[in-house]
Amino acid sequence: DAGITQSPRHKVTETGTPVTLRCHQTENHRYMYWYRQDPGHGLRLIHYSYGVKDTDKGEVSDGYSVSRSKTEDFLLTLESATSSQTSVYFCAISEGPRAGYGYTFGSGTRLTVV
Amino acid sequence: DQQVKQNSPSLSVQEGRISILNCDYTNSMFDYFLWYKKYPAEGPTFLISISSIKDKNEDGRFTVFLNKSAKHLSLHIVPSQPGDSAVYFCAASAIDSGNTPLVFGKGTRLSVIA
Repeated sequence: DAGITQSPRHKVTETGTPVTLRCHQTENHRYMYWYRQDPGHGLRLIHYSYGVKDTDKGEVSDGYSVSRSKTEDFLLTLESATSSQTSVYFCAISEGPRAGYGYTFGSGTRLTVV
Repeated sequence: DQQVKQNSPSLSVQEGRISILNCDYTNSMFDYFLWYKKYPAEGPTFLISISSIKDKNEDGRFTVFLNKSAKHLSLHIVPSQPGDSAVYFCAASAIDSGNTPLVFGKGTRLSVIA
């Protein structure tokens, strides 16, 4: 299987608490992405990284921050979780920015904010 | 504004028949298109792709057709099998997009009935 793992797989947290999701890869790919999947919205990009310490915002970045201090790890932090952030979060990796490189997705983290 | 549109949220097809999933795009700079398949509780996986220099790409039971003038692509699955039941995402990438990630549609849920 592709070397990408997400942790935790499931999490329940309370409104207002900070939450960090981790994406770890063993492929040494430069590009990493965080998406959320919600019914009726498909896959929406939250943040992405094109190298260590190089990150940029996606279409739904409000309320989220990311960090990439080393190639293999890309962390997504919900600064103060809200019920609207209940979702399934997917991390993806890619060798290059162009679509031809393809994305490999992790298995997802199901986050419930109560 | 959605750049990649999958206007059918769901599709139901009988086993053995053809499944046709449609995708429209608005950005004329898109030059590479992909289809991803997603089963419940798993991450999306790459299915098939097509470059804008082609109008058809075939891989076993799966064929993607591209109509650039109409800004439309479709995925044909023949014959459909129960194991094809999943959510299918269309995605696109633009020429000279730099680090810009793939743009995904909202997905179409395919149900293949035995």
